[in-house]
Amino acid sequence: GAGVSQSPRYKVAKRGQDVALRCDPISGHVSLFWYQQALGQGPEFLTYFQNEAQLDKSGLPSDRFFAERPEGSVSTLKIQRTQQEDSAVYLCASSLGSGRSYEQYFGPGTRLTVT
Amino acid sequence: AQRVTQPEKLLSVFKGAPVELKCNYSYSGSPELFWYVQYSRQRLQLLLRHISRESIKGFTADLNKGETSFHLKKPFAQEEDSAMYYCALSQVASGGSYIPTFGRGTSLIVHP
Repeated sequence: GAGVSQSPRYKVAKRGQDVALRCDPISGHVSLFWYQQALGQGPEFLTYFQNEAQLDKSGLPSDRFFAERPEGSVSTLKIQRTQQEDSAVYLCASSLGSGRSYEQYFGPGTRLTVT
Repeated sequence: AQRVTQPEKLLSVFKGAPVELKCNYSYSGSPELFWYVQYSRQRLQLLLRHISRESIKGFTADLNKGETSFHLKKPFAQEEDSAMYYCALSQVASGGSYIPTFGRGTSLIVHP
C-alpha cells in the first residue's frame, strides 16, 4: 500500500512569501504529526492532529505557522511571510492510533528553501 | 525538560567491526525510547523500540535507567548499515499521543 506522501518535495520561496505544504497520510491513520528538521539536526515536533482535531501545537515556532486537517485525512502546513530561518525539511508522519505502541510512518519530507 | 543527546555526529567503522551508537537522555518520567534510521534517499523509519526488547537487523539497544542511556549496538557491522541514526524519547502529549523528541543524529559509515 501507499505510504505517507508529501508535496511538493522541494519548494523555493522568496522571503515574505506564503507557502503551503501538503501531507497525505496512510489511509485510516488517526494521528498525524508535523516536524521541522533543520540541517544537521533531528526532527523537531511542530504539531499533532487526532482525526481533524489539532490536539497539540506547542511546537509551532510562531504565529506565522498554521496547520489544518479539516476532514481528518489530508493535512496542510502553511507558513506565512516566510523568513530565512524557516528553511528546513518539513516532515509529516501518521500513525494508526495515538498510544505509545503505535509506530509513526514518515513521509519523504518537503525541503523548503527561503531566499 | 526532556532531552536526547547523541554525542557523536559521525561514526566510521570497517565492515565486521562492532558498532555502538551512543544515546543519553534526560526525562523525569518513565521513558519510552526508540531508534530511528534513515538510509540514503529513503525516509525516516523506526528501527526498534525499547519495550519490544527485540533485535532488528542485528541491532539491539538496552535501556539503562541508572546511566540514562539507550545505546544502539551491533556486534558485526555491514556496509548496508551505513545510514543516519536517530535516538528518540517519547513524551505524552495532549490527547494521549506520544510525541518523540529526537537527538541530532549520528551518521554511521561502514567501510568495506
